[in-house]
Amino acid sequence: SQQGEEDPQALSIQEGENATMNCSYKTSINNLQWYRQNSGRGLVHLILIRSNEREKHSGRLRVTLDTSKKSSSLLITASRAADTASYFCATVLIVGRRALTFGSGTRLQVQP
Amino acid sequence: GAVVSQHPSRVICKSGTSVKIECRSLDFQATTMFWYRQFPKQSLMLMATSNEGSKATYEQGVEKDKFLINHASLTLSTLTVTSAHPEDSSFYICSASGQGRSLSNQPQHFGDGTRLSIL
Repeated sequence: SQQGEEDPQALSIQEGENATMNCSYKTSINNLQWYRQNSGRGLVHLILIRSNEREKHSGRLRVTLDTSKKSSSLLITASRAADTASYFCATVLIVGRRALTFGSGTRLQVQP
Repeated sequence: GAVVSQHPSRVICKSGTSVKIECRSLDFQATTMFWYRQFPKQSLMLMATSNEGSKATYEQGVEKDKFLINHASLTLSTLTVTSAHPEDSSFYICSASGQGRSLSNQPQHFGDGTRLSIL
């Protein structure tokens, strides 16, 4: 079963704008990861944030984690048409399996 | 960076055929590999965890006799869809994580997926 939900389900913005995606999860986690998937392809790892971290940056990406609210957000700044893809959050539980449990995903469309 | 190769990328075959999908870690040893299934515009659902040298662990609702997993070496896991039917048509993706004490804190490396279409 899916660990959590993402919103929005779909997001359409203009090039240069920022895109924010939110993820909520249900159980205690070891870490939370964000992945990107281009249509019909595999997933590419973007960023991993541990449960004791609150914010992390990587290039134009900024991820926050609020374990009290069981939520995370991914911000893509100065978006480009090439950022068009589906974005998934995924959690690794503290107890139990090491496999990723994925959120429902956000489909991002960046208009040139 | 770590590379996972998945083959074939696309399969179209008749109902009743068995289909084998390979997942290889090219530049690292993968003690654990995971197999996911993804329906159009949906998220990835874990099917099974493949451990080198031991039996795979299947998620609830996944038929182990239908989806045979073999992880005979540290660089190769295979998923065989036996006697495939149209409802098995889907996108199958593997991922791998390497050795190490902090497996949970490592990102997973994904193959490019296999689109299976059963006629």
